[in-house]
Amino acid sequence: DGGITQSPKYLFRKEGQNVTLSCEQNLNHDAMYWYRQDPGQGLRLIYYSQIVNDFQKGDIAEGYSVSREKKESFPLTVTSAQKNPTAFYLCASSIGGGNRQFFGPGTRLTVL
Amino acid sequence: AQSVSQHNHHVILSEAASLELGCNYSYGGTVNLFWYVQYPGQHLQLLLKYFSGDPLVKGIKGFEAEFIKSKFSFNLRKPSVQWSDTAEYFCAVESGNTGKLIFGQGTTLQVKP
Repeated sequence: DGGITQSPKYLFRKEGQNVTLSCEQNLNHDAMYWYRQDPGQGLRLIYYSQIVNDFQKGDIAEGYSVSREKKESFPLTVTSAQKNPTAFYLCASSIGGGNRQFFGPGTRLTVL
Repeated sequence: AQSVSQHNHHVILSEAASLELGCNYSYGGTVNLFWYVQYPGQHLQLLLKYFSGDPLVKGIKGFEAEFIKSKFSFNLRKPSVQWSDTAEYFCAVESGNTGKLIFGQGTTLQVKP
């Protein structure tokens, strides 16, 4: 959706390397989210943040880390501890809980 | 644990056929319900949502969904599909107003012209 940018669109990394995925929004939304999309499994929540300087683990947080130092930015780091990092990663934002989420275009990460 | 189940993984229809995609969830409390759609090469976008009130909700592009609380279901319907409806459809459930969405596995819809 307009207002959420994710970069890069495609990312390749060697096994054992940490990699950071960018997510920026200019919608003035308080809440931001990271999901992982795998074929046949839908989207699964990795981390979410309801407000700046605060974030919570989602259902599959192991091997990932996030920060929320600015309202408009919510970067996701895929660490070497993530056993199966190759996936499509989607960032989203919303006004807050109980509201629709707007999604970015996604980053496809391939770990070689 | 909460879960969302979409019964149809891959649906193939001809244009003008009617569509119904099933979605069931497991959660006993208050829920907000969503259907999102991902057209080829495009962002995931909201099709429709239910928070409260009339259990029959209408969304964009002629889609509608009915919330049946007793069946924990939120099925998506469209009376007559078009080729442009070819996409992947996701049902999602939010427990209360937590912001945490649980998604179903997705249903790929292919509409033949």
